[in-house]
Amino acid sequence: DGGITQSPKYLFRKEGQNVTLSCEQNLNHDAMYWYRQDPGQGLRLIYYSQIVNDFQKGDIAEGYSVSREKKESFPLTVTSAQKNPTAFYLCASSVNPKNIQYFGAGTRLSVL
Amino acid sequence: KNEVEQSPQNLTAQEGEFITINCSYSVGISALHWLQQHPGGGIVSLFMLSSGKKKHGRLIATINIQEKHSSLHITASHPRDSAVYICAVFLPDGLTFGKGTHLIIQP
Repeated sequence: DGGITQSPKYLFRKEGQNVTLSCEQNLNHDAMYWYRQDPGQGLRLIYYSQIVNDFQKGDIAEGYSVSREKKESFPLTVTSAQKNPTAFYLCASSVNPKNIQYFGAGTRLSVL
Repeated sequence: KNEVEQSPQNLTAQEGEFITINCSYSVGISALHWLQQHPGGGIVSLFMLSSGKKKHGRLIATINIQEKHSSLHITASHPRDSAVYICAVFLPDGLTFGKGTHLIIQP
C-alpha cells in the first residue's frame, strides 16, 4: 500500500543525546515536511524539502536537522541543542507544496 | 502573519446530530485543508478546497473566500467521528494550522 511510514512510534531521549526520527514515503512525492505538535497548539513547521538534496527551515528549526538524500526518505534529527524536545512529531508529503498533504502516524518523543 | 481561528474548541454532541465546525482566517489564501486527527495521533486529510463546496460521504466542506471563512459539516454524526478536526490554510510559504476542534459524539 502507498503511504507514509514513521518510526519509531515512541522514542525516549536522554539528556545530551541526539535522536533521529524516520520518515519514508512510497507515494513518489517530491515535497516532504516535518511538523511538531504540542498540546493545545496547532502544528508548527520544523523543516521542509521540495526536492531531493534540498531543504528549507520552517518556523521552529532551531535544535533540529534534516537530510534528503533520497526522494522517499526525510529523516529528522533532534539534537541536544533542542532544550524542549518532548512533543508529537508528524511527517507529511505532497506532490508539490500547493497540493494536499498526506501525513504519517507520528512519533511521540519524550525526555528521560 | 495569518491567524487561523477555529470554533468551537470543544464540542460534545449526541449520535445523529448535525455538526458544524468553523474556521476563519485573516489574510487571502489559495486553498484550505481540513484534516482529521484520531486519538492515536495519526492525521487523515479530508478535503482541500479553494472555492464552493465539497462532499465526501457524510462530510461536507464549504468555503467563502471573500469572507475568509470555511465550515466543516458532519451529517448523521456517529461515535466514530470523534476526533480532532484541524483547519489549515495554504499561504505562499506553506500551511498554517488552526489549533483544532475536539469533537466527541456520544452514543
